[in-house]
Amino acid sequence: QVQLVQSGAEVKKPGASVKVSCKASGYTFSNYYIHWVRQAPGQGLEWMGVIKPTDATTAYAQKLQGRVTMTMDTSTNTFYLELSSLRSEDTAIYYCARTLYIPLYDFWGQGTLVTVSS
Amino acid sequence: DIQMTQSPSSLSASVGDRVTITCRASQSIGTYLNWYQQKPGKAPKLLIYTASTLQSGVPSRFSGSGSGTELTLTITSLQPEDFGTYYCQQSYSSPVTFGQGTRLEIK
Repeated sequence: QVQLVQSGAEVKKPGASVKVSCKASGYTFSNYYIHWVRQAPGQGLEWMGVIKPTDATTAYAQKLQGRVTMTMDTSTNTFYLELSSLRSEDTAIYYCARTLYIPLYDFWGQGTLVTVSS
Repeated sequence: DIQMTQSPSSLSASVGDRVTITCRASQSIGTYLNWYQQKPGKAPKLLIYTASTLQSGVPSRFSGSGSGTELTLTITSLQPEDFGTYYCQQSYSSPVTFGQGTRLEIK
């Protein structure tokens, strides 16, 4: 069965970086894009960016440009989200989600809580 | 960016009621609109894609309609398990954007 399994919760200090992983299984890795979406406490969903698994092409939300990096490891079918220069407003649950070319997310990871606090 | 506005922001309804949630886009998105249900502590779940196509395994009491700038999600005969927050999401153009959510409470 399709699974996207994310890494565990993180607590980081302002200014630090965090790297979240998303391991895909149960489907053909190269057929689906992976998007990252975050949700601040009690808030809505915010799109962060996308990575194309065939060539690792990425596209990021403009507000995160320069701070966000999405990568992947084809040997382990794992995707990564790295966010740097963390600030308190980055405190959120971070989700990976898969989609074909047109973004509609049929499977999601379980979410990873990242807390930024001094 | 395309702005997505949902209404109402919250509602309370009884079991058996018919519920309609509206999503308005700041420009025409055709039928490039998806609906999700999210329960507390869980990831969103895809309900309907391309405005009116029911995702596999989703009960038929959920339906979607509309095109252009106004699209709707309808739940006929509301069930207790339908509580949660509903989000619309446009897939017409990048960046992907979501509505702010509609919190549905069962009376």
